[in-house]
Amino acid sequence: DADVTQTPRNRITKTGKRIMLECSQTKGHDRMYWYRQDPGLGLRLIYYSFDVKDINKGEISDGYSVSRQAQAKFSLSLESAIPNQTALYFCATSDVLVSWGEQYFGPGTRLTVT
Amino acid sequence: GQNIDQPTEMTATEGAIVQINCTYQTSGFNGLFWYQQHAGEAPTFLSYNVLDGLEEKGRFSSFLSRSKGYSYLLLKELQMKDSASYLCAVRVPLSGGYNKLIFGAGTRLAVHP
Repeated sequence: DADVTQTPRNRITKTGKRIMLECSQTKGHDRMYWYRQDPGLGLRLIYYSFDVKDINKGEISDGYSVSRQAQAKFSLSLESAIPNQTALYFCATSDVLVSWGEQYFGPGTRLTVT
Repeated sequence: GQNIDQPTEMTATEGAIVQINCTYQTSGFNGLFWYQQHAGEAPTFLSYNVLDGLEEKGRFSSFLSRSKGYSYLLLKELQMKDSASYLCAVRVPLSGGYNKLIFGAGTRLAVHP
């Protein structure tokens, strides 16, 4: 079974709709991250959380919000989706006890906003 | 500002050696990662360098020069399955002793028979 899972894997939605992307992990890691990936731009950090009570904005948080429901769950919401939020979204985790902080990525959610 | 540059695309022949370069200019440096990403899949960890020099892991090696803001990933004995994107990422410090990763746009490598 995958250590980091994301649901849904694919989603098509309309402009203005609210959508939630979910991430769950069984690795026992405290740190979780949301990234989006666009062709030619690489992975960009949206939000990160270093424990359940700690939520921080990344480079491109406008239009997004997150919820850390438990150590194992970190959800990303688009309150009112717009077409330029069409992208591949990845959740990642890392272990606070590992000094170099390697990140483990989920399989991704391909989101299309029409 | 934060800037990480890598070539957009490279091609190579099966069995050959290829070097993928990465240069960076970041506000702080706490290490450099290389990730491999096959099309439509999650990035997977390849290597980590925090000190200058070469780290070798089987067919893959990674080099770092902090004074030059430069790293490369060396892939030997190329196989068709090495066709993928290779992402360079720099670990930069945040307040409170934390760190985050800044990713380059990735280098798409195509291996031909």
